[in-house]
Amino acid sequence: NAGVTQTPKFQVLKTGQSMTLQCAQDMNHNSMYWYRQDPGMGLRLIYYSASEGTTDKGEVPNGYNVSRLNKREFSLRLESAAPSQTSVYFCASRIGLTEAFFGQGTRLTVV
Amino acid sequence: AQSVTQLGSHVSVSEGALVLLRCNYSSSVPPYLFWYVQYPNQGLQLLLKYTTGATLVKGINGFEAEFKKSETSFHLTKPSAHMSDAAEYFCAGGGDKAAGNKLTFGGGTRVLVKP
Repeated sequence: NAGVTQTPKFQVLKTGQSMTLQCAQDMNHNSMYWYRQDPGMGLRLIYYSASEGTTDKGEVPNGYNVSRLNKREFSLRLESAAPSQTSVYFCASRIGLTEAFFGQGTRLTVV
Repeated sequence: AQSVTQLGSHVSVSEGALVLLRCNYSSSVPPYLFWYVQYPNQGLQLLLKYTTGATLVKGINGFEAEFKKSETSFHLTKPSAHMSDAAEYFCAGGGDKAAGNKLTFGGGTRVLVKP
């Protein structure tokens, strides 16, 4: 049972490049989330998907897009990376209102 | 909309001393509340949770938290700190299905344990 798997673990991008962060869960959870973690700011919600086929904006959606590909997978895309998007990105999933399970994170640096 | 506030971004305690991390929430619906721990360069691990029922919740590693509705608080405590408790701790809340099951985090509290 792998839980929540994120790829890649590390990435360096140049300003203006695009990339997609992948997330997959094998726990049959209905809700999935993307957060970014910055020093002193805790975890801020970028986008979430309450169920397959739905996505909604969180606190900091600008510069990002998401796709809920199926129940297992929820990807986050940066169309034109900016240095302000340098952060650690976490994917999480949960079922109903229970606790969320987190991936190990993707450390992204935009230069 | 639900919000979660952690008082104190950094806490320093001596080994063997009480650990107290404060969390307050605001919510228009009964909250589901969680405490997570994050060790360096790792993901978040659940310490404990409050959903319904008993207001004093026990978690892993000797931590516990008490839900106090009158104070809108969910403070985390551990009677005796250990060096291995040095980490960052996050309080989170999310119990509103109408809000799409959003899970909102506080800003985190970094715990330093002094020998």
